[in-house]
Amino acid sequence: GQQVMQIPQYQHVQEGEDFTTYCNSSTTLSNIQWYKQRPGGHPVFLIQLVKSGEVKKQKRLTFQFGEAKKNSSLHITATQTTDVGTYFCAGGSGNTGKLIFGQGTTLQVKP
Amino acid sequence: NAGVTQTPKFQVLKTGQSMTLQCAQDMNHEYMSWYRQDPGMGLRLIHYSVGAGITDQGEVPNGYNVSRSTTEDFPLRLLSAAPSQTSVYFCASTRGGVGTEAFFGQGTRLTVV
Repeated sequence: GQQVMQIPQYQHVQEGEDFTTYCNSSTTLSNIQWYKQRPGGHPVFLIQLVKSGEVKKQKRLTFQFGEAKKNSSLHITATQTTDVGTYFCAGGSGNTGKLIFGQGTTLQVKP
Repeated sequence: NAGVTQTPKFQVLKTGQSMTLQCAQDMNHEYMSWYRQDPGMGLRLIHYSVGAGITDQGEVPNGYNVSRSTTEDFPLRLLSAAPSQTSVYFCASTRGGVGTEAFFGQGTRLTVV
């Protein structure tokens, strides 16, 4: 079945450093979504990418979808303590709304 | 709007007991799903439903049953709880279709002793 792998599992950075998490799918995706989960909270939708090679930005966050629609990345520039949490990618296939999540990357930011 | 409501927030069960985790959404979403979250494993799909009366298995369905008698409700049943089912459970709903965002409930932290 479809698998979505995400690396790294954990990342500790000093405030102000950059951060990147990578997501790879075993199958071609119709779309990829990114979610953030704060400690003790529930996942919250950040963004969705649909087109091959698509790049989207949200302030300090940059999201990319690979040309083959099998991989994606999230890059945070100049991390802040408010960026702490676990970032998940989720791959969609077909048009049912079914999402398969990666294992997540937990980001710790030292002030 | 309440969004996605899960109850209970916390539960302790003894091995072999049964229980139902409740999930309700008021957004008229067609698609609902249940995930479990374990350290290092991310969110794993247990069961999902594309509409009332239709359910299907996800990645880790064993030990869990679901039903979808209405659009709003999607309960998850543990028939005979096992310690391996200790986890945080999240219910989610989406409008359905390609690229619609998932709205998650607050989660249920379940411990099986």
